[in-house]
Amino acid sequence: DQQVKQNSPSLSVQEGRISILNCDYTNSMFDYFLWYKKYPAEGPTFLISISSIKDKNEDGRFTVFLNKSAKHLSLHIVPSQPGDSAVYFCAARATYNTDKLIFGTGTRLQVFP
Amino acid sequence: NAGVTQTPKFQVLKTGQSMTLQCAQDMNHEYMSWYRQDPGMGLRLIHYSVGAGITDQGEVPNGYNVSRSTTEDFPLRLLSAAPSQTSVYFCASSYGQSNQPQHFGDGTRLSIL
Repeated sequence: DQQVKQNSPSLSVQEGRISILNCDYTNSMFDYFLWYKKYPAEGPTFLISISSIKDKNEDGRFTVFLNKSAKHLSLHIVPSQPGDSAVYFCAARATYNTDKLIFGTGTRLQVFP
Repeated sequence: NAGVTQTPKFQVLKTGQSMTLQCAQDMNHEYMSWYRQDPGMGLRLIHYSVGAGITDQGEVPNGYNVSRSTTEDFPLRLLSAAPSQTSVYFCASSYGQSNQPQHFGDGTRLSIL
C-alpha cells in the first residue's frame, strides 16, 4: 500500500525550461512534506519542505506547491540546469506518528542542454 | 566535516551469514534512522531512534536489529542474511523529529548470495 506515489519514473527537460515533479498521497493525516534530491552513489540531500498549513514554499529556483484537497504536491524548478539531473524523492509524515517519514518511489530528472 | 559516515560501502554475504552495518554521526543529532532503497520501491524505513537507548520499528523491520547505546552510533544488524535483503542501505540523522531535514550517509550496497 503505497501512501506516497510518484507516478512518473522519469522526466526529461531542456536546460532553462521549467521542471515539474509531481507527488500524490493517500493519507489525509499527513501534515508535513519534504523533497530530497539524490545523485548516483550518494545519499539523498534535503531540498525543500512544506507544512500543511501552507500551499506554497519557495527557495531560490525551487518552489513546492501543496494542494490538500487533491492530496497532491509538486516541485517546480525554474530554470532547470544540467546539475539538477538527479532522482527526486518526495516524503511525508503523519500527525499521529511524527517520527516516521514515508518516501515516494522517486522521479529521475534529466536536464539536457 | 564528516556528517554521517557509513561503513562498509560494499559487502557481499552468503545466505545465513550475519553482519553489522555501521553508522556514525558527529552532529549531535538525537534522531537517527535506517532505510533501504530498492528499485521501484523508494526509501523504506527499517528502524529509527529518537535518542540514546530508544529505538522503534519502521515499515520493514523484520530480519534486522538495532541498538543505540550512544548518541553518535546507530548500527544495523542482519541476524541471518537472506537474498531478499539485497539492497542499498542508508543511515540518516537529524535534530528532533522527522520534519527536520535529515542528513544521509552515502549508503552501503549489500548483496546476499
